[in-house]
Amino acid sequence: GDSVTQTEGPVTVSESESLIINCTYSATSIAYPNLFWYVRYPGEGLQLLLKVITAGQKGSSRGFEATYNKETTSFHLQKASVQESDSAVYYCALGENYAQGLTFGLGTRVSVFP
Amino acid sequence: GPKVLQIPSHQIIDMGQMVTLNCDPVSNHLYFYWYKQILGQQMEFLVNFYNGKVMEKSKLFKDQFSVERPDGSYFTLKIQPTALEDSAVYFCASSHGDWGNTGQLYFGEGSKLTVL
Repeated sequence: GDSVTQTEGPVTVSESESLIINCTYSATSIAYPNLFWYVRYPGEGLQLLLKVITAGQKGSSRGFEATYNKETTSFHLQKASVQESDSAVYYCALGENYAQGLTFGLGTRVSVFP
Repeated sequence: GPKVLQIPSHQIIDMGQMVTLNCDPVSNHLYFYWYKQILGQQMEFLVNFYNGKVMEKSKLFKDQFSVERPDGSYFTLKIQPTALEDSAVYFCASSHGDWGNTGQLYFGEGSKLTVL
């Protein structure tokens, strides 16, 4: 079946430093699945951070970016300068279609210290 | 933004009992989902419900599981009877339409089920 592998946490980073969370995927039924990054902030539900549905394109939100790389089947999440408010658990996910739901990675807990 | 509410947030029951997890999806959403996350493992898709019917289900959606949304009220996940391996956090999600393109999935905060 489909699978998503991402950086194992926890990840600790200082404020204003850069952050990268690696994500690679494998989709069994289609060549170019939709790719997502979700985030769960402390005390809140899972929410969409960004998504890219076209291979080769980049998504961005709240200073985060991720590029859909079909050659390396990767969708790494990056931010040039993190803030304390970016402390959260980040999940990479793929979806082939709305009926079958999403396949999630294990999640990466990120802690940003001042 | 839009909220998906889940009730209860935590429930403890004895093995063999029945449990119903309730989800109040975003109003005017049409597609409803349940996901299961065992501690330390990935969140996994259980079932997709649309127009009063199960559209897709995974192998995790055992015969003891059922879902319904009677008369547009709560979207529920019922487990009867429960087993020890059902202990997990269950997440409800809803979507207006094809989240792959124009829409997105909205998740609740989860219902933690502990089966003793």
